[in-house]
Amino acid sequence: DVKVTQSSRYLVKRTGEKVFLECVQDMDHENMFWYRQDPGLGLRLIYFSYDVKMKEKGDIPEGYSVSREKKERFSLILESASTNQTSMYLCASSSPSYRDRFGQFFGPGTRLTVL
Amino acid sequence: AQSVTQLGSHVSVSEGALVLLRCNYSSSVPPYLFWYVQYPNQGLQLLLKYTSAATLVKGINGFEAEFKKSETSFHLTKPSAHMSDAAEYFCAVSDPNDYKLSFGAGTTVTVRA
Repeated sequence: DVKVTQSSRYLVKRTGEKVFLECVQDMDHENMFWYRQDPGLGLRLIYFSYDVKMKEKGDIPEGYSVSREKKERFSLILESASTNQTSMYLCASSSPSYRDRFGQFFGPGTRLTVL
Repeated sequence: AQSVTQLGSHVSVSEGALVLLRCNYSSSVPPYLFWYVQYPNQGLQLLLKYTSAATLVKGINGFEAEFKKSETSFHLTKPSAHMSDAAEYFCAVSDPNDYKLSFGAGTTVTVRA
């Protein structure tokens, strides 16, 4: 089974803190994605990566950065957390070889609360 | 650019009744289309996808969807709802030459006994 794991299910941080959300996939997928999910807005793409050390901005990158030093790991960084970044964060991965058959595989999500 | 509109943020059905979730898309190229399901406190799971083959697509758990180019729609149906179908459902669209997905706002399904 493809597994995408996220470091925390629930996280509470204070305004101004630097926050790291980690995502690991075990299927050797080239593509990895970070989304945030908010009620009534669906999933919005923050950043994605097609390869190690490669990153591209998604639709809402402001206030976020990412790091991909190894193929299996994709980290989302909130440099200075703010209350409007309270949300559910979902990581996903996919492979160009299998995209047509399987789409993207999602982790369980991290519910981040910024106080 | 691609976008998706899901009509109805909440749908309530009786157990055994038809489930119909509506999705309309906008795309500048022939799209790939997906339906995902999210159970409480879980990530998203692929239900089914359309990738330019048969227009009637069957997925897991008895769901199916039909791609209608003339109506730019990809509605999801299930003939008989089960209590376990209570979840949030997301429609998504992709450019076949890209790997990104654009998601709709989601539709929450509740099933009444």
